[in-house]
Amino acid sequence: DIQMTQSPSSVSASVGDRVTIICRASQGISTWLAWYQQKPGQAPKLLIYGASSLQSGVPSRFSGSGSGTDFTLTISNLQPEDFATYFCQQANSSPPWTFGQGTKVEIK
Amino acid sequence: EVQLVESGGGLVQPGGSLRLSCTASGFTFTTYELNWVRHAPGKGLEWVSYITSSGKTIYYADSVKGRFTISRDNAKNSLYLQMNSLRAEDTALYYCATFTRKWHYFEYWGQGTLVTVSS
Repeated sequence: DIQMTQSPSSVSASVGDRVTIICRASQGISTWLAWYQQKPGQAPKLLIYGASSLQSGVPSRFSGSGSGTDFTLTISNLQPEDFATYFCQQANSSPPWTFGQGTKVEIK
Repeated sequence: EVQLVESGGGLVQPGGSLRLSCTASGFTFTTYELNWVRHAPGKGLEWVSYITSSGKTIYYADSVKGRFTISRDNAKNSLYLQMNSLRAEDTALYYCATFTRKWHYFEYWGQGTLVTVSS
């Protein structure tokens, strides 16, 4: 199985900051990677797929990059509604489809 | 508006069974591949099971293989998860989720139904 490792597990930031979250796959997955945002009491929301493609309706302050084993989610100009937990997920052709353990973005 | 509504969760003793349901609306259910994904307290998200639009191809995570059964009824726009031989480690919020039309990204999610396995 492909293991996904996220870092950091939590980050404290202020409104207007730039936040970077890293996700590392245990083996190469090309650009078969997604990022999700989850707020307390809500289902996860797909933000980015294909490592860098923005899902419809997602603000452009979210961006993704990377390929192979190393990926990055960047939130520029952090807004109050962005305080949440973020998960990466590998979307390889075969199951199991695995997630990172999550990164909580907290208010400083 | 796309809606996925899960039901059937609850408190069950170890070794017991539950059947989860997910009713969909707002999209063409028959053309989407579907999944169950769970989120245990203090842990990350875990994919549990997958079923193709026709129901002909099914996959399970190793952690539930042989104990859980996924199925769907396209006439009722419904997805199911029969869970047998439940263990404490199956305690989680269970979501139904669609894949995107082309790839294995989870696009639409329900709000989840809570399963608690405890004596």
